[in-house]
Parts: sequence; structure tokens; C-alpha cells
Amino acid sequence: AQSVAQPEDQVNVAEGNPLTVKCTYSVSGNPYLFWYVQYPNRGLQFLLKYITGDNLVKGSYGFEAEFNKSQTSFHLKKPSALVSDSALYFCAVRDLGYSSASKIIFGSGTRLSIRP
Amino acid sequence: SQTIHQWPATLVQPVGSPLSLECTVEGTSNPNLYWYRQAAGRGLQLLFYSVGIGQISSEVPQNLSASRPQDRQFILSSKKLLLSDSGFYLCAWSPPDRRNEKLFFGSGTQLSVL
Repeated sequence: AQSVAQPEDQVNVAEGNPLTVKCTYSVSGNPYLFWYVQYPNRGLQFLLKYITGDNLVKGSYGFEAEFNKSQTSFHLKKPSALVSDSALYFCAVRDLGYSSASKIIFGSGTRLSIRP
Repeated sequence: SQTIHQWPATLVQPVGSPLSLECTVEGTSNPNLYWYRQAAGRGLQLLFYSVGIGQISSEVPQNLSASRPQDRQFILSSKKLLLSDSGFYLCAWSPPDRRNEKLFFGSGTQLSVL
């Protein structure tokens, strides 16, 4: 079965500094990987996805993620953090065992806190 | 444009009472539909998903059930709620075209079972 792991419960970064939120995956075959963000008491919002092609994927709000096949990682990055980036971030993978539906499995989430 | 509606936003129910949460999607046809539960503001657990009317797949044996009586309607139910059913419930949909994979989430229902 496909799975993702987010090893950090919380990441703290000063505003203006670069940020990285880590994600590693375990899949059989080619991975379909995603990042979502959740603001307090809200549903999740899609940030970006990797299906194939360039290893560096650009997404919403200035975020990008780097797919690294040898390290089985898909870390989320941003060159300069904003206080408004503070939220809960989820890495996700599509389970390829289901042919007719996009069964997407989420990691445990990483809380990103940006201090002014 | 497509929209997803989920209600109610908050719900407080006594143990042993029934539950019905409703989710509807507008502006698309034959969506894949999902119910997730988020406990204590952290990880998401997939509860049910559906690829069509009357087609429900359950991910975790539990006190809940789901139904899809219409193409764009997805209902989460329970006959008797347990304390452990408390959590934040999220409905989501994705396009039937797997080349455009992305989940669109509703705003969630905070369920407190007392």
C-alpha cells in the first residue's frame, strides 16, 4: 500500500527565511504526490502535485516542492516565509490500487509557524 | 464553476443519538466523493469514497455508514453515536478524469459527541 510520512509535527521559521516541510513516501510504481494546506477550522486546499516531468513543481502562494526519487522524498519549500503561511500542511499520495477512483492517502500533517 | 457544500458546520450530539451529515457538489457530473475524519486537528483518515450512485467503499470498519442517493450527494450517517465519533468531518470531491487529479474539500463539520 502507498503511504507518506511527515517526520516533523511542527516547523518554526522566522518571517523572511526559507522554509522546508519534509515528506517521504513509499509507493509501488510511479508516485502521484500532493501537498495540501489547511487553515484553522477549514477544509484543505490544494497547493501542488507531482505526476511526472520536472522534479521541481511550482504551486500556489509561492510554494514549490522537489521530487527526489532516490531519496523517496517530496519536500515542500518556499524561499521567503510569510506570517500568513502559518497553517497545517499535509503531504499526500494516490493509492494506485484503485483503478476507478482517486483514493488519496494523507500524512499526519506538519504545523508550520512563522514568527514575525 | 464547481462548488461543494457541507453542513452543518458544527454539531453537538448526545451519545447514542443518530447522525446525518450531508454534502452536495454543484457544477460537475459524476464526481468521485469522499468522507474524511480529522481527529484533534491532525491527520486525515479516509472513511468512505464513492465513484458513482449507490457505489460506496468503506475504508475502516466503524460505527458510521455512507450513502450516495444522487450523483452529487453524499451522506454520512450513524444510527447510534459513540464518544469516539467526535472529530472534524470533511467531505471532498475529485473529477472523474484521473488526469486531473485533485481533491476539493468542503468547509467541514465539527462534531462533538457528549
